[in-house]
Amino acid sequence: NAGVTQTPKFRVLKTGQSMTLLCAQDMNHEYMYWYRQDPGMGLRLIHYSVGEGTTAKGEVPDGYNVSRLKKQNFLLGLESAAPSQTSVYFCASSYSTEQYFGPGTRLTVT
Amino acid sequence: AQRVTQPEKLLSVFKGAPVELKCNYSYSGSPELFWYVQYSRQRLQLLLRHISRESIKGFTADLNKGETSFHLKKPFAQEEDSAMYYCALSDRGYALNFGKGTSLLVTP
Repeated sequence: NAGVTQTPKFRVLKTGQSMTLLCAQDMNHEYMYWYRQDPGMGLRLIHYSVGEGTTAKGEVPDGYNVSRLKKQNFLLGLESAAPSQTSVYFCASSYSTEQYFGPGTRLTVT
Repeated sequence: AQRVTQPEKLLSVFKGAPVELKCNYSYSGSPELFWYVQYSRQRLQLLLRHISRESIKGFTADLNKGETSFHLKKPFAQEEDSAMYYCALSDRGYALNFGKGTSLLVTP
């Protein structure tokens, strides 16, 4: 099992560009999450999903959109990237309270 | 509102010394608390959860509801324990609220 995978691993965007980060899990987990990790801020929840076709806002949802069209995939979109969105993005999935994390995507917005 | 507080950004100890990483929380109800660890260039992984009351890699953590704390302890630190440690609380079903993390550096 690959567990939780994320693509891409790295990306550099110019301000105003858009992109989609893909998270995939092969553990048949119902719950999936997107976090951002910033120095001195820990991990902050952006959006999460409790099942296929459902999404909900987390702590810092502004500037992001998500979709969960298939149970195994959770997409995070940035419609118009801003320098404040420079961060490391982690996806996670769970069937209970233990979350399994992906390797992260390092995004730089210039 | 900050639910999980880790007061130390950086903790440096010598190999073989005891280590305690502090975590305090604010939550009305019965929280579920966790410690996650991130080694250099690796993904976050679960280290401990309070309900299991187990010892992993020599680490233990006890939930103290009176002091609203869930400190992580190890009697003899090893160099391979150097990592970023996050305390986390589950309050909305399965979503986690993380502290800001403590970077542990164990020096020889």
